[in-house]
Amino acid sequence: KAGVTQTPRYLIKTRGQQVTLSCSPISGHRSVSWYQQTPGQGLQFLFEYFSETQRNKGNFPGRFSGRQFSNSRSEMNVSTLELGDSALYLCASSQGDNTDTQYFGPGTRLTVL
Amino acid sequence: AQSVTQPDIHITVSEGASLELRCNYSYGATPYLFWYVQSPGQGLQLLLKYFSGDTLVQGIKGFEAEFKRSQSSFNLRKPSVHWSDAAEYFCAVGPSGGGGNKLTFGTGTQLKVEL
Repeated sequence: KAGVTQTPRYLIKTRGQQVTLSCSPISGHRSVSWYQQTPGQGLQFLFEYFSETQRNKGNFPGRFSGRQFSNSRSEMNVSTLELGDSALYLCASSQGDNTDTQYFGPGTRLTVL
Repeated sequence: AQSVTQPDIHITVSEGASLELRCNYSYGATPYLFWYVQSPGQGLQLLLKYFSGDTLVQGIKGFEAEFKRSQSSFNLRKPSVHWSDAAEYFCAVGPSGGGGNKLTFGTGTQLKVEL
């Protein structure tokens, strides 16, 4: 069974640009969650999508948005990039219940210059 | 608001020695508790999880954790550490009931194993 895949793995952008990251969950999983990992703030929850609907949301500004498609693949978008958005962005998929194991992808390393 | 504290930022142990990583949580109800491990350049891998029942939970790679409600703790243990256990370990709390998946992580403990 293929694991969670994230594309691209590495990305370099400049301030003010926007970026879209993609996450393909494990087949059959309907929940996709996104996390931001930085040395200063650690792992922080961004949002969760389940069956194409945002089910949970973290405390991030509106520049961070996401969506989920009917095949459960998810994208997150960050507009008007800031230097502080440089981070490892991880997505995790699960079948949907909060007792189900969440499987994490390898992450997308975003660098904002 | 829920929170997780991992008091030890770095821990160094000798290969073959026992290990205990500390985790304290703050949560209004009975939480769901997790331990994840992250190797360099990798995503997170679940070691074990606690929802209810037996307070001693067995996980993968020989790890176990004990839930102590009175101390709001969920410490991770391993009787004999292997060099391959060197990684960063994260404790996390999630909502019980039907709250979906929204994990709150601790700041992590970096484990170094001396040969």
